[in-house]
Amino acid sequence: QQPVQSPQAVILREGEDAVINCSSSKALYSVHWYRQKHGEAPVFLMILLKGGEQKGHEKISASFNEKKQQSSLYLTASQLSYSGTYFCGTEEEGSTLGRLYFGRGTQLTVWP
Amino acid sequence: GAGVSQTPSNKVTEKGKYVELRCDPISGHTALYWYRQSLGQGPEFLIYFQGTGAADDSGLPNDRFFAVRPEGSVSTLKIQRTERGDSAVYLCASSLTPGLARGEQFFGPGTRLTVL
Repeated sequence: QQPVQSPQAVILREGEDAVINCSSSKALYSVHWYRQKHGEAPVFLMILLKGGEQKGHEKISASFNEKKQQSSLYLTASQLSYSGTYFCGTEEEGSTLGRLYFGRGTQLTVWP
Repeated sequence: GAGVSQTPSNKVTEKGKYVELRCDPISGHTALYWYRQSLGQGPEFLIYFQGTGAADDSGLPNDRFFAVRPEGSVSTLKIQRTERGDSAVYLCASSLTPGLARGEQFFGPGTRLTVL
């Protein structure tokens, strides 16, 4: 089941903060976050596991509400390099371990 | 170390032709995934290999699509009788064994397939 991401697009000035949300209708094992720049492969940012464990990027944080099957990615003091499309991928309970369902993405643009 | 590699980077073919797309995963990664990404969309799951076997092929759109990983390393995605709707970027990713090391998936640069 494809998760729903919001907003679809964000425009920021360098140094501003942003929050990207991901919501699923299914119970989740984990939520994965990736960033993709135009014409490039998605790059791993963070995993949030059921039970609270997190692994990921130093300057990016995220939360995972297991009861609501929602995750949020927090980008603070944004830099020009943060520009790109952010995807969440969800790993569902009852589905094959490792199989990810990706949202449609949130396009983030950071201006100087 | 070397990342996931995919060849060719671009493939242009005519409707009805057969194509093969290759993925070389990170050494030691037992899990390999194929995704398809259309413009403005997120990656869409196609198939997942654990070792040599397809653990989940439920994402393959129809029987024109087939994938193999005979030695548990390199994988080939095969598309028969290509259609214009098959045009997309085909991404491959690899990871350590899910469940034992619930880690990230490392993506390759993709193969852009254009069916004329």
